[in-house]
Amino acid sequence: AQSVAQPEDQVNVAEGNPLTVKCTYSVSGNPYLFWYVQYPNRGLQFLLKYITGDNLVKGSYGFEAEFNKSQTSFHLKKPSALVSDSALYFCAVRRRDDYKLSFGAGTTVTVRA
Amino acid sequence: DTGVSQDPRHKITKRGQNVTFRCDPISEHNRLYWYRQTLGQGPEFLTYFQNEAQLEKSRLLSDRFSAERPKGSFSTLEIQRTEQGDSAMYLCASSFKPGSQTKNIQYFGAGTRLSVL
Repeated sequence: AQSVAQPEDQVNVAEGNPLTVKCTYSVSGNPYLFWYVQYPNRGLQFLLKYITGDNLVKGSYGFEAEFNKSQTSFHLKKPSALVSDSALYFCAVRRRDDYKLSFGAGTTVTVRA
Repeated sequence: DTGVSQDPRHKITKRGQNVTFRCDPISEHNRLYWYRQTLGQGPEFLTYFQNEAQLEKSRLLSDRFSAERPKGSFSTLEIQRTEQGDSAMYLCASSFKPGSQTKNIQYFGAGTRLSVL
């Protein structure tokens, strides 16, 4: 079985401040990890992925995430948040020998001007 | 790539009616997935195709649900005898263009929002 936990339902930050969205996962073997963002009435938009290699991965729109195997975490970060980053963020995991994604419940990010 | 396309975007139906949704994946993607998302939750896997073969079905996919991908291109998801509990956003995703660096990424459509009255 595989699962994802996003411990914070909501994250509120001021524009220009660092943004962190937390994610921990449970999966057998080495995981593939993903972050997606969802805007109202839209589908999920891919942000970044960890497959192998460097634990710090960089993605779209200035986002990055750090894979920590010992803590089974994959936290999403952005050094300086923008108001336009306000959205719903999902962390997802899959096993390397499988194709279906398991998603967390999502974290709503609000960036205030 | 024009992206994953889903039709309709919204569907309102009465309990007991049948509904069918369509998904057109990104060209040359040979894997296609259906997920269901309810309010306040992340998407949940329903089923997955590789080309025209349906390779896995979730236990969430009751006998009232059927999915097809007859020619390995577009896919349909049909729900028979809809129930109020079927109200959700149905998301389609596609992946895996052989040889592509993005082969492990699932790209999602905008979804079909189903409301069962």
